[in-house]
Amino acid sequence: DGGITQSPKYLFRKEGQNVTLSCEQNLNHDAMYWYRQDPGQGLRLIYYSQIVNDFQKGDIAEGYSVSREKKESFPLTVTSAQKNPTAFYLCASERTGRDEQFFGPGTRLTVL
Amino acid sequence: GEDVEQSLFLSVREGDSSVINCTYTDSSSTYLYWYKQEPGAGLQLLTYIFSNMDMKQDQRLTVLLNKKDKHLSLRIADTQTGDSAIYFCAESITGGYQKVTFGIGTKLQVIP
Repeated sequence: DGGITQSPKYLFRKEGQNVTLSCEQNLNHDAMYWYRQDPGQGLRLIYYSQIVNDFQKGDIAEGYSVSREKKESFPLTVTSAQKNPTAFYLCASERTGRDEQFFGPGTRLTVL
Repeated sequence: GEDVEQSLFLSVREGDSSVINCTYTDSSSTYLYWYKQEPGAGLQLLTYIFSNMDMKQDQRLTVLLNKKDKHLSLRIADTQTGDSAIYFCAESITGGYQKVTFGIGTKLQVIP
């Protein structure tokens, strides 16, 4: 079945540590997105990538980094520079020109 | 800039109709969406409407768009307990990439 997977579902991190969230899609979509969801704030765009080896900052990119070495994969690293990383992180993908984003199941990150 | 607003909470009785409302500010939006999020899960696209349409119906779902007032609504007929979830309104502006702005989500509670 085609879809988007995110792993792990739950992630715990100590302060000062970097952590990487995985996002994989087998939909053959060109564009991929990372969003952060906090209660009462909806979704906010962290980074997006329209094509392999290219990515752009979204509205809240500070403290995050990404890579796009393969079409199927768009990992997000939450660095120690992110001051308030506890949140629900959602990855999405989209076929260029279709205007519909498909979402993964999300990763809940908690900083201890 | 873009802004999408929704009420936070709606409670209805099973079998009644639910109407979730949304207002947006960007008149250049091309698509308007309704997504559903169940607890601990990603977002699922329910339906979308082109900005040049007034209405779209899909089984129990009816979307109404008042472009003059920048008002979007989602009506769920014969609401079931399985419809309990958070519903996100979103708008997209296509220009270079698919920029989607999400509302904060309306939590729908269906009372048996």
